[in-house]
Amino acid sequence: EAGVAQSPRYKIIEKRQSVAFWCNPISGHATLYWYQQILGQGPKLLIQFQNNGVVDDSQLPKDRFSAERLKGVDSTLKIQPAKLEDSAVYLCASSLQLRLETQYFGPGTRLLVL
Amino acid sequence: AQRVTQPEKLLSVFKGAPVELKCNYSYSGSPELFWYVQYSRQRLQLLLRHISRESIKGFTADLNKGETSFHLKKPFAQEEDSAMYYCALSNNAGNMLTFGGGTRLMVKP
Repeated sequence: EAGVAQSPRYKIIEKRQSVAFWCNPISGHATLYWYQQILGQGPKLLIQFQNNGVVDDSQLPKDRFSAERLKGVDSTLKIQPAKLEDSAVYLCASSLQLRLETQYFGPGTRLLVL
Repeated sequence: AQRVTQPEKLLSVFKGAPVELKCNYSYSGSPELFWYVQYSRQRLQLLLRHISRESIKGFTADLNKGETSFHLKKPFAQEEDSAMYYCALSNNAGNMLTFGGGTRLMVKP
C-alpha cells in the first residue's frame, strides 16, 4: 500500500512570499491532518479534516495560513505571506477514521523562509 | 489544555543497557497515550499505544495515572533503537494529538 505523499520535499522562499504544500493521503483514509514541526520541537497540529470538512483548526494562524480538501482526498496548505518563524517541516498525516486511529505520516515538506 | 513533557532531549546508552524514555502529561480527562518513533531518514510512525497493552520491538509503556506518566522502557537496548521518540496524548474525542518535544535515543556499540 502506498504511503502518504507530499510535495514539494523542500522549499526556500523569501519572507512575504506565498507558498503551497500538497498532500495525497493513503487511499480510503477519511481523516487528514497537517502538522507544523519547528526544529527541536514535536509536531503541532494545525488543522484536521474529516472527508472534506474541517474538524479542528483551532491552532491554525488563519491570518496567513489556509488549507482545503475540496474533494475529500488531496489537500493543500497555503501560507500567504510567509514569515521567518514559519520555517519548519510541514507534515501531513492520514488515518482511516477519526477516533483513536493510527496516524500515518508523510515524509514532510521542509520550508525555509529567508 | 493538554500538554506532554519529555524532559530529556538526548539519552545516550550502551548496547545491552536498559532504557527508559520519560513522558509526563497534563490532561483533565481520561487520556489516550501513544509513542511515535522516527528512525533516521524515515517517516514518523506509531510505535505503541497504551490501550493495546502490547510490546513492540521489546518496548513497553505503562500508563500511570497517579504520576501522570507514560514512560517507555526496554530492558536491553539495541543499536537499531537509535531514533527520535515522541510521546503523544489524544483528547477524549480521540481526534487531537498533542506531541511532546521528543527525545533522541543514541545506543552506542
